[in-house]
Amino acid sequence: EAAVTQSPRSKVAVTGGKVTLSCHQTNNHDYMYWYRQDTGHGLRLIHYSYVADSTEKGDIPDGYKASRPSQENFSLILELASLSQTAVYFCASSPGGTGNTLYFGEGSRLIVV
Amino acid sequence: QEKVQQSPESLIVPEGAMVSLNCSFSDSASQSIWWYQQHPGKGPKALISIFSNGNKKEGRLTVYLNRASLHVSLHIKDSQPSDSAVYLCAVSMRSGGSNYKLTFGKGTLLTVTP
Repeated sequence: EAAVTQSPRSKVAVTGGKVTLSCHQTNNHDYMYWYRQDTGHGLRLIHYSYVADSTEKGDIPDGYKASRPSQENFSLILELASLSQTAVYFCASSPGGTGNTLYFGEGSRLIVV
Repeated sequence: QEKVQQSPESLIVPEGAMVSLNCSFSDSASQSIWWYQQHPGKGPKALISIFSNGNKKEGRLTVYLNRASLHVSLHIKDSQPSDSAVYLCAVSMRSGGSNYKLTFGKGTLLTVTP
């Protein structure tokens, strides 16, 4: 069974603070993704990566940075957290790009106050 | 305008009923289409995918794709309370040039009552 683990699973952050969400996969997949899920918007792609040490912007990258230090690890960084970034964040991996099944983690619930 | 639209938004059915979920998309040149299932507090899990026009059956699930009408549907036979979840339609659509990206619908909340 494919495995994608996220940490932390839940976090409360203060406005203007820095938040790092981490993702680790044991699937040996090249592609990793960060999605945001909000009521009324569905899943939206923030950043993705297809190789270590390289990241690409998704549909809503503003206010977010990403880091892929190794094939297994992919982080999402909020340098200055804002109220509008309160959401559930999902990491996913896939063996290839579009056209391949995504394997999601359990999600990280972020509340910015 | 949403590029992937799902209907209905929510659905309540009795155990054993046939469930039909709908998804419309805007790109006739779309590639593969997936249905994902998401239980409360969990990440989405892929259920079934389809690329070619027609239908595909896997166990209690059948998916129908009609590219001419830009419509795909998921049918769940003999629904169970454990099928209660949000069902997400995801369509691989053109994003410029020869690039494609996966676009998700907002989902349909299915509740199967015992």
